[in-house]
Amino acid sequence: QVQLVQSGAEVKKPGASVKVSCQTSGFTFTDYYLHWIRQAPGQGLEWMGMINPRIGSTDYAQKFQGRVTVTRDTSTNTLYMEVNSLRSEDTAVYYCAKGAGTATGRLDNWGQGTLVTVSS
Amino acid sequence: DIQMTQSPNSLSASVGDRVTITCQASQDINNFLNWYQMKPGKAPKLLIYDASNLETGVPSRFSGSGSGTDFTLTISSLQPEDIATYFCQHYHRLPLTFGGGTKVEIE
Repeated sequence: QVQLVQSGAEVKKPGASVKVSCQTSGFTFTDYYLHWIRQAPGQGLEWMGMINPRIGSTDYAQKFQGRVTVTRDTSTNTLYMEVNSLRSEDTAVYYCAKGAGTATGRLDNWGQGTLVTVSS
Repeated sequence: DIQMTQSPNSLSASVGDRVTITCQASQDINNFLNWYQMKPGKAPKLLIYDASNLETGVPSRFSGSGSGTDFTLTISSLQPEDIATYFCQHYHRLPLTFGGGTKVEIE
């Protein structure tokens, strides 16, 4: 079955970077768009960006342009998201999610979430 | 960006009650609207896609309706396991955006 397994919790200082991974299985990695979404404490869900794993092209929410990088490794079917210049407002649970076929914005499977805490 | 306004923010109902959550888009999104269920410590779950289609494996007590700007998620008979927060999300165009969420509790 489809699985997206994310890396463990991280604690970072302001100004540092964090790279979260999402190991996928159960589907053809290069056939589906993959997304990153986050949820800050007490807040709603916020879409960050996505990647076409076949060609590596990406789209980002304007808010994250230049500070977030989504990449993938097709040899290990793993998705990555790196956030630079961390600030306290980046404290959140980060989720990877798989798009559903041609409906790339339908998020039909999600990872379990990775808590990133930014604190001095 | 398309804004998604969800209401209510929270609700409390009894087991067996009919529960309705609404979601309004700031512009016409056709039927490009999904509903998700989130429980603490668990991965979010897709319930309804394209406004009214039930995702495989989701109980039939969940249903969705609407098109254009106004959408509804209905739980026909609330069950204890439905305690969760529910989010709507459009995918008419990028960026994807979500409603603020509705927390459902049992009275």
